[in-house]
Amino acid sequence: GAVVSQHPSRVICKSGTSVKIECRSLDFQATTMFWYRQFPKKSLMLMATSNEGSKATYEQGVEKDKFLINHASLTLSTLTVTSAHPEDSSFYICSARDPGVDPLGNTIYFGEGSWLTVV
Amino acid sequence: AQTVTQSQPEMSVQEAETVTLSCTYDTSESDYYLFWYKQPPSRQMILVIRQEAYKQQNATENRFSVNFQKAAKSFSLKISDSQLGDAAMYFCAYRSAYQAGTALIFGKGTTLSVSS
Repeated sequence: GAVVSQHPSRVICKSGTSVKIECRSLDFQATTMFWYRQFPKKSLMLMATSNEGSKATYEQGVEKDKFLINHASLTLSTLTVTSAHPEDSSFYICSARDPGVDPLGNTIYFGEGSWLTVV
Repeated sequence: AQTVTQSQPEMSVQEAETVTLSCTYDTSESDYYLFWYKQPPSRQMILVIRQEAYKQQNATENRFSVNFQKAAKSFSLKISDSQLGDAAMYFCAYRSAYQAGTALIFGKGTTLSVSS
């Protein structure tokens, strides 16, 4: 079946540097991808909705300049955490909607997630 | 804005027994979808079951079934014949039906432990 792949699965970066996380739909074209953040034993918090070829729509309280989202192709969305700080350490999960399978939008696949640790 | 509430941070059940996880939601929309997702220690999100709000019949998937009460805005998950592999965090989620590109809104989750 359809698969959404995230890379890297784990990354450690130094405070002040930037790190990029990729989310790929492997066998379908994802016009819409979603980025979530999850703290340990907590819920998934929607950060932004990424639409191919247009600017991402960020949720209230999410810093657009810190969390840069790019959806340049129908199979790839990237999340770049800029000038990372220890408080940005978290688990980041992307999901993608397969419109070809379900035009109503309920076929949603999740990536494996990416652990970010900022030291 | 829509909200999803899971009032049970933790639940436990013995193998082969039945457990019910609670979920309530708040919305002013009449058409929407509700989901239960399982997140095991691997963190991979796994769809357990889905319910369309316009359907009165409760969804069932093998040992998993829901009790959907639209007027009460309640959507509980029943796991029958619990197995050790059911141990995970369970999230209730809501999605508006008015736009295909809207995101899932998750509750805070319920951690289910299963003992032998």
